[in-house]
Amino acid sequence: DAGVTQSPTHLIKTRGQQVTLRCSPKSGHDTVSWYQQALGQGPQFIFQYYEEEERQRGNFPDRFSGHQFPNYSSELNVNALLLGDSALYLCASSLEAAGGTEAFFGQGTRLTVV
Amino acid sequence: AQSVTQLDSQVPVFEEAPVELRCNYSSSVSVYLFWYVQYPNQGLQLLLKYLSGSTLVKGINGFEAEFNKSQTSFHLRKPSVHISDTAEYFCAVIFNFGNEKLTFGTGTRLTIIP
Repeated sequence: DAGVTQSPTHLIKTRGQQVTLRCSPKSGHDTVSWYQQALGQGPQFIFQYYEEEERQRGNFPDRFSGHQFPNYSSELNVNALLLGDSALYLCASSLEAAGGTEAFFGQGTRLTVV
Repeated sequence: AQSVTQLDSQVPVFEEAPVELRCNYSSSVSVYLFWYVQYPNQGLQLLLKYLSGSTLVKGINGFEAEFNKSQTSFHLRKPSVHISDTAEYFCAVIFNFGNEKLTFGTGTRLTIIP
């Protein structure tokens, strides 16, 4: 059983560019959350998707947007990249019926903005 | 404000010695509590969780944690550490039931000294 898979694993972008990160949830999971982990920090909640809708959002600007597809996979888009967006982006999946009390994390995408 | 505090950013411990990693949170209502481990260049793996019931929770790899409501703490312990336990450990809290957002502490880097 494949766990949570994220692509790409590493990415280098230039300031001002746009980036799309992808996440496939663990089999059977229907909820996807995205987190940003800056170097030396704990993960910060960006937003969560359930039934193809953004259900809740953390304290991130509108440059951060996302999407969830019918197969529950998800994308995170970041526009107008800033140097400060350099971080490890983690995707977590969970099962709504289980109250989301066991989130499974992917390996992350390391984004470097230069 | 709801927050999670891990006061120790780094904890060096000799191999086969016991260790305690501290976690405190700020909330006057019931919470769900988690400990995650992050090995270098990897995502997060759930070690254990407290949802309700017994305040002593046992997890994987010989770790356990104790929930103390009066002190709003959830400290992680292991009686004898191994080199393979070298990693970053994150305490996380769900403050609002039905809201699956995890709020993380800043992490504790556990270094095992041979």
